[in-house]
Amino acid sequence: DTAVSQTPKYLVTQMGNDKSIKCEQNLGHDTMYWYKQDSKKFLKIMFSYNNKELIINETVPNRFSPKSPDKAHLNLHINSLELGDSAVYFCASSHRLAGGRGELFFGEGSRLTVL
Amino acid sequence: RKEVEQDPGPFNVPEGATVAFNCTYSNSASQSFFWYRQDCRKEPKLLMSVYSSGNEDGRFTAQLNRASQYISLLIRDSKLSDSATYLCVVNLLGMLTFGGGTRLMVKP
Repeated sequence: DTAVSQTPKYLVTQMGNDKSIKCEQNLGHDTMYWYKQDSKKFLKIMFSYNNKELIINETVPNRFSPKSPDKAHLNLHINSLELGDSAVYFCASSHRLAGGRGELFFGEGSRLTVL
Repeated sequence: RKEVEQDPGPFNVPEGATVAFNCTYSNSASQSFFWYRQDCRKEPKLLMSVYSSGNEDGRFTAQLNRASQYISLLIRDSKLSDSATYLCVVNLLGMLTFGGGTRLMVKP
């Protein structure tokens, strides 16, 4: 049973397109995240979200928007894709306080390539 | 200055060797610290927490020096399966910041 699952695992698209990546967790966690890992392997947080608050990393362009239909899902929508958006996007989840204990459970990642 | 800095490596070591990784962090208000492991083309997974008094988990020992804002990970008796990237992670107010990782390659 996959704890945190993302789809699609691979996505190749043209500049200017709009795309979404879906994420679901079955761990009963109340907080979900999106991270971006670029070609230099730096893992940077984009969003942190629970049913009460959305925390946005201020460096994230507003072309990126998280959408959460319920606490088990946090999808990432990207408008007007740019070459620099090419990266691996990881979804993760935790109990709200587990952020302090460091235990994030990551999905397998979605590799986005923008041509 | 990056919030969490690590030597990217790679560290190439023979099986059985002892290897140590270091990490520095910039925000002195950081509250807790961790090491994650990421295998090639896989997701990161929590390896161990880092406690002020130092802590050990089998062949792995983690240490924290708050005064110097420095974290370390020591791996004894390296195995081929230890080959991975090791990510230093710092928590501030519930948000985890990851270092760029140190790549370890253990050779037969």
